[in-house]
Amino acid sequence: GEQVEQRPPHLSVPEGDSAVIICTYTDSATAYFYWYKQEPGAGLQLLMSVFSNVDRKEEQGLTVLLNKKDKQLSLNLTAAHPGDSAVYFCAVSDQGGSAKLIFGEGTKLTVSS
Amino acid sequence: EAAVTQSPRNKVTVTGGNVTLSCRQTNSHNYMYWYRQDTGHGLRLIHYSYGAGNLQIGDVPDGYKATRTTQEDFFLLLELASPSQTSLYFCASSDVGDEYFGPGTRLTVL
Repeated sequence: GEQVEQRPPHLSVPEGDSAVIICTYTDSATAYFYWYKQEPGAGLQLLMSVFSNVDRKEEQGLTVLLNKKDKQLSLNLTAAHPGDSAVYFCAVSDQGGSAKLIFGEGTKLTVSS
Repeated sequence: EAAVTQSPRNKVTVTGGNVTLSCRQTNSHNYMYWYRQDTGHGLRLIHYSYGAGNLQIGDVPDGYKATRTTQEDFFLLLELASPSQTSLYFCASSDVGDEYFGPGTRLTVL
């Protein structure tokens, strides 16, 4: 079945720097791609969703890149600030009717001021 | 904004205890899910449902039952809780597309 690898597991950057998180998936039929943010003690907040016909999507300082050839999904936080400190998860879903998500293991991002 | 609520938010029980976790969504979504989150494993799918009365087995179903009584309500049942089920449990809802999560229930089994 589908497997998702996420790296790095921990990432520390100074305020104003960019932070990049990468996920690699295995199933070429994967059609839906997601990034979630989880702050301490909270649930998962959907940051961005991307369908497989999109290579790049930008919203509010976040850039998602999808490389279908390499089966790679990335999240780039440009000019990170301390409020971005959280755990980030990628998730993918195939085109089947179940809408099941397969999650990466998460990246704990710390942005220092 | 989509809304998913969970209760209780925290629960402590003993080994062998009987626990029910509740989830309600007001998004009119067809799909609902139960996940557990553990350090080093990310989120793992326990059970899910695509409508009232329907139940699908997820990736880590052992020791769990679930029931979808209405489109809004999805329950996770642990009939003989074990310490290995100590975890953070999330409920979510979706149609095909964006999935929205509840705030989580922290369960401790002593």
